[in-house]
Amino acid sequence: GAGVSQSPSNKVTEKGKDVELRCDPISGHTALYWYRQSLGQGLEFLIYFQGNSAPDKSGLPSDRFSAERTGGSVSTLTIQRTQQEDSAVYLCASSLRGTGDETQYFGPGTRLLVL
Amino acid sequence: GNSVTQMEGPVTLSEEAFLTINCTYTATGYPSLFWYVQYPGEGLQLLLKATKADDKGSNKGFEATYRKETTSFHLEKGSVQVSDSAVYFCALYSGGYQKVTFGTGTKLQVIP
Repeated sequence: GAGVSQSPSNKVTEKGKDVELRCDPISGHTALYWYRQSLGQGLEFLIYFQGNSAPDKSGLPSDRFSAERTGGSVSTLTIQRTQQEDSAVYLCASSLRGTGDETQYFGPGTRLLVL
Repeated sequence: GNSVTQMEGPVTLSEEAFLTINCTYTATGYPSLFWYVQYPGEGLQLLLKATKADDKGSNKGFEATYRKETTSFHLEKGSVQVSDSAVYFCALYSGGYQKVTFGTGTKLQVIP
């Protein structure tokens, strides 16, 4: 079946503009995560959705960052008034809960460059 | 809260050398443990996992044993290849509505 997809694959924007990044998880996966990975760095957790529960937003670095997940499927990460330090690869992952298997399936990422 | 601690990299080894990447964790309950790998220019993918104490996960010649007494899940390979050069991430999941927690990653470089 199809894996996790993300769009766009690359995004170049100017400082101060808003951007939206999209994630399509594997069908039926109830858990969805957003991470950020800067060049040469590890994974930085941003936000986590699980079913109908309130999302865990504890990793969002500022109030310029927000995310939503519509219908328990597609998710959009929005960065308002982008800054140069927001440049990174944004990764989405999904997993199937309730089966005892918490394996995460990662998308290819969106590479964001803020000029 | 849950946490994962990995040995710092980068780790540089010659081909056919023995590899150990240390991973220790702090978690409530009985977590599942994972190793993910990210090859250059590629996305993260599961390498192996173990869901209960004393389980051994294995894949592609890599192994890791879930040691509850030492809260560890060290990654090992007997003879590394250049193609094993990648970043390796240790992770845990402690159940319920908890999120997965990742370590900081360890970069491995294998030289011919």
